[in-house]
Amino acid sequence: KAGVTQTPRYLIKTRGQQVTLSCSPISGHRSVSWYQQTPGQGLQFLFEYFSETQRNKGNFPGRFSGRQFSNSRSEMNVSTLELGDSALYLCASSLDASGSVNEQFFGPGTRLTVL
Amino acid sequence: QKEVEQDPGPLSVPEGAIVSLNCTYSNSAFQYFMWYRQYSRKGPELLMYTYSSGNKEDGRFTAQVDKSSKYISLFIRDSQPSDSATYLCAMTRGGSYIPTFGRGTSLIVHP
Repeated sequence: KAGVTQTPRYLIKTRGQQVTLSCSPISGHRSVSWYQQTPGQGLQFLFEYFSETQRNKGNFPGRFSGRQFSNSRSEMNVSTLELGDSALYLCASSLDASGSVNEQFFGPGTRLTVL
Repeated sequence: QKEVEQDPGPLSVPEGAIVSLNCTYSNSAFQYFMWYRQYSRKGPELLMYTYSSGNKEDGRFTAQVDKSSKYISLFIRDSQPSDSATYLCAMTRGGSYIPTFGRGTSLIVHP
């Protein structure tokens, strides 16, 4: 069974540009969550999608957005990039969001560097 | 102050040592407690989870939760160089499954 895949793995952008990251969850998984990981702040929750609907949202500015397609694949977009957006962006998929313990399977992440 | 505090380390131990990794938290609403392991250039993987207070053992790993002290621990017995990774604690409130993570502790087990 294939794991969570994220593309691209590495990305270099300049300030002011926008970027789109892609995540393909494990087959059959309907929930996709996005996280930002930095050395200073650790893993911070961005948003979660379930059946094409955003169900939860973290405390990030509106420059960060996402969507989920009918095949559960998800994309996140960051507009007007800032230096502080440099981070590892992780996607996690899970089978069912209603469980009391949500076992999330993480992808390898996309390393975004903003110059 | 962050809701979940975790010493980033690094923690360096010799092979075979018993390792103790810890997190403290401030929100008494947390009910589910998890430990993730993250190798370099990989995403985190769930190691163990526990509900409320108590101990849970899985092979060389033991997770311990003390809700009265708001303190959780992960013990690794007979540590191996392959255990070298960053260990993240995470916890969720009842009714929510979005975890709040600690910053992670870097563990180095040297031969």
